[in-house]
This record gives sequence, C-alpha cells and structure tokens, in this order.
Amino acid sequence: DQQVKQNSPSLSVQEGRISILNCDYTNSMFDYFLWYKKYPAEGPTFLISISSIKDKNEDGRFTVFLNKSAKHLSLHIVPSQPGDSAVYFCAASAAGGKLIFGQGTELSVKP
Amino acid sequence: GAVVSQHPSWVICKSGTSVKIECRSLDFQATTMFWYRQFPKQSLMLMATSNEGSKATYEQGVEKDKFLINHASLTLSTLTVTSAHPEDSSFYICSANRGQETQYFGPGTRLLVL
Repeated sequence: DQQVKQNSPSLSVQEGRISILNCDYTNSMFDYFLWYKKYPAEGPTFLISISSIKDKNEDGRFTVFLNKSAKHLSLHIVPSQPGDSAVYFCAASAAGGKLIFGQGTELSVKP
Repeated sequence: GAVVSQHPSWVICKSGTSVKIECRSLDFQATTMFWYRQFPKQSLMLMATSNEGSKATYEQGVEKDKFLINHASLTLSTLTVTSAHPEDSSFYICSANRGQETQYFGPGTRLLVL
C-alpha cells in the first residue's frame, strides 16, 4: 500500500505565480516530512522539512503546510521561477529515519 | 551545506560481475546511511538501512546476499551488487541523516549491466 501519495503527476504554472504541490499520507506515526527537488539522473536535493508537531515552516520562497487532521501537506513556491522546473518528491520519515517517498510531481514553470 | 558523495557516478559491467558503490558523508559523521534505487519514471524505493558497526537492515523483498552493505566508518558506506544481472540495472542513491529532520542524498550511481 502506498503510505505517501502525490496524486498529481504534473503541474504547469506561469512564472511569477504560486506553485502548490500536494501530498497525502496514511500513517499518523510519521514524525517529520520533507520535500525534495530532483532532476533526472541526479540525487534529490533537500528543500525544506517540517516536524509533525508544527503546521507551517517557511524558508525563502518555499513554505510547507501540514494539516495533521487531514493527513495532508503541501509545498508552496512563491514566486515560481523557470529554474524551479523539476520533479518534486514529498517524503515521510518513519522509525529509524528511513524515508518513504511519494510518486513525485513534475513541475513546469513557463516563462 | 551538507554534502554526500557517491562513487562511481556511473558504471557499465558484464553480467555476472560484482560492482561496488561507495557513499561518503563529506562534512559530517553519519551513524546511519540509507540506500535507495530508482527505476525510470518511478519513485525512490528504500533498499536498506546501513548502520555503522553493525549489520544492515534490509527492506522486504531486497536480497541481502545480492546487495551487500558495509558501513565501515562514520563517513563511509558501501553497496556491492554481487553477480549483477541486467535486471539490476538501475539508479542507486545513498543518503545520510544530519541532525534532526534533514536527510541529504548523494548524486546517485547509474548501473548498467550488459
């Protein structure tokens, strides 16, 4: 069963607008969540994380929101830039620090 | 920022040979490292957790005799794909935790078994 889901395989946004990437999870025992940006044939690049005891974390253009009751988190990128175009993965941290990844969402930011 | 390196970045080998991939944390010590693999157009799948000074913990369905993991020091973990076959061709990525709530990934190793 898929414990972490990203239901949108792709997202297209105009430059300067907001990008909202969504992620749902099923296990309420995850202790923190992370977002990664990835290009083909490269390792994921860490963007931002959030503890399960918080509901928001912000770092520059990136903000992650966590709604524990809905088991949902989202990554907001404002303003979006063409260089943000990549595949974005959300991940949840399980016991021992291992990560469970969603399927990824391919973001395309158009000039 | 934290850096995790992998070597080699790509390798081509003949079927039946063994391939070793190294993962190093360059500016921090990591008692635990993780090994993932990714098939084209798919997500990252955790293979095993590498523990410094003890045996690795493998995920269900991962053959421990096929994928040998050695975590010899606080900055180095190795993954050896033994008797590699074409179906082992994949993108292998390691990662390491640095403190709470951050896990950094290496650049990955692309393995092609002919």
